[in-house]
Amino acid sequence: RKEVEQDPGPFNVPEGATVAFNCTYSNSASQSFFWYRQDCRKEPKLLMSVYSSGNEDGRFTAQLNRASQYISLLIRDSKLSDSATYLCVVNSDTGFQKLVFGTGTRLLVSP
Amino acid sequence: NAGVTQTPKFRVLKTGQSMTLLCAQDMNHEYMYWYRQDPGMGLRLIHYSVGEGTTAKGEVPDGYNVSRLKKQNFLLGLESAAPSQTSVYFCASSGGSDRFTDTQYFGPGTRLTVL
Repeated sequence: RKEVEQDPGPFNVPEGATVAFNCTYSNSASQSFFWYRQDCRKEPKLLMSVYSSGNEDGRFTAQLNRASQYISLLIRDSKLSDSATYLCVVNSDTGFQKLVFGTGTRLLVSP
Repeated sequence: NAGVTQTPKFRVLKTGQSMTLLCAQDMNHEYMYWYRQDPGMGLRLIHYSVGEGTTAKGEVPDGYNVSRLKKQNFLLGLESAAPSQTSVYFCASSGGSDRFTDTQYFGPGTRLTVL
């Protein structure tokens, strides 16, 4: 079983739609959680950190459920520029910042 | 402020050849990392460094060596390239002040093909 699992998609949505991505992780000792965005043939970039209380950044909302070991990302009012792959990332904390990356969920937003 | 840079951007090698990938960061970060990204696998950690002069093995270190002689540079070496090492290689760095919340900043990647 992979340590971080995501639905690979692709998710095809029209502009303005709301879309949600889910992720599960297996290491219950994981300490911190992130969503990264990766454009085609580019490097990953931090989109947002995920906190237990949930957090919002503009159109993006991230949620964490430690009991279920589940992380989500909600994108409201999708834009064409949101088309990318979204990587769920977990810090497994083995004494340094060891990030474990999911394989990513691809989002395609169409006009 | 260039952030994290990688050299070269593309490279084609023949089986058995050697090469070194260079990563440089200008953010005075303590931690640096080398990852590889393969289809369907996600990014996997090859080696990492928590400071100048230190290196350690990650998840998939076999066939690679690294050195961090200067704080700003992290070199990844392939001694005898194999087709299984065909991949996209990303370097990253992070400040090192808080291993729970530090952001890792990635370089643009090196696309390596081994024939």
